[in-house]
Amino acid sequence: EAGVAQSPRYKIIEKRQSVAFWCNPISGHATLYWYQQILGQGPKLLIQFQNNGVVDDSQLPKDRFSAERLKGVDSTLKIQPAKLEDSAVYLCASSFPTRTPLHFGNGTRLTVT
Amino acid sequence: SQQGEEDPQALSIQEGENATMNCSYKTSINNLQWYRQNSGRGLVHLILIRSNEREKHSGRLRVTLDTSKKSSSLLITASRAADTASYFCATQSGGGADGLTFGKGTHLIIQP
Repeated sequence: EAGVAQSPRYKIIEKRQSVAFWCNPISGHATLYWYQQILGQGPKLLIQFQNNGVVDDSQLPKDRFSAERLKGVDSTLKIQPAKLEDSAVYLCASSFPTRTPLHFGNGTRLTVT
Repeated sequence: SQQGEEDPQALSIQEGENATMNCSYKTSINNLQWYRQNSGRGLVHLILIRSNEREKHSGRLRVTLDTSKKSSSLLITASRAADTASYFCATQSGGGADGLTFGKGTHLIIQP
């Protein structure tokens, strides 16, 4: 089966600019997650979708981050405006059904200068 | 916030030796999972152990879980150079949210 697809692979922006990441989960996976992984740390959950509804966004900085999953398939994560501390790898993962292992994409490495 | 804490943070061993990594967590769990991450890549699931299980094997991997101590260990036997990676434990709670909570990871280096 095809894996979780993410793009772009790398992104460099200046602070206060905006950026968007795209994720296409494994076909049929109802649950989609966005994680933030800062260098040297483990991934931190930003938001979890079940189909196109939000299950958990308690750790999403909503003043600057937004995410959507239209039609319950692919998803976009946006940051506006970006801060230096947003430099990280943004990982998308999917699973079906919930509580089974997650399948991760290779991530988007964001550098904010 | 991060629930799991891996120990050690870094481990370097010779090829063929066994590698043991430990994970401690704070709250009750439904299951605990171990993932591997090669440099610049996403995470790959290795093994899942449920809260009512004490030990699980998969190939050269052996995972134990002690819910009374809120701890788990991952043993990789007969290590290979290809095992060089970061290893993370992650917990899923028994509550409503199903997102994984990851630890900071153990960076394992296998010396050829």
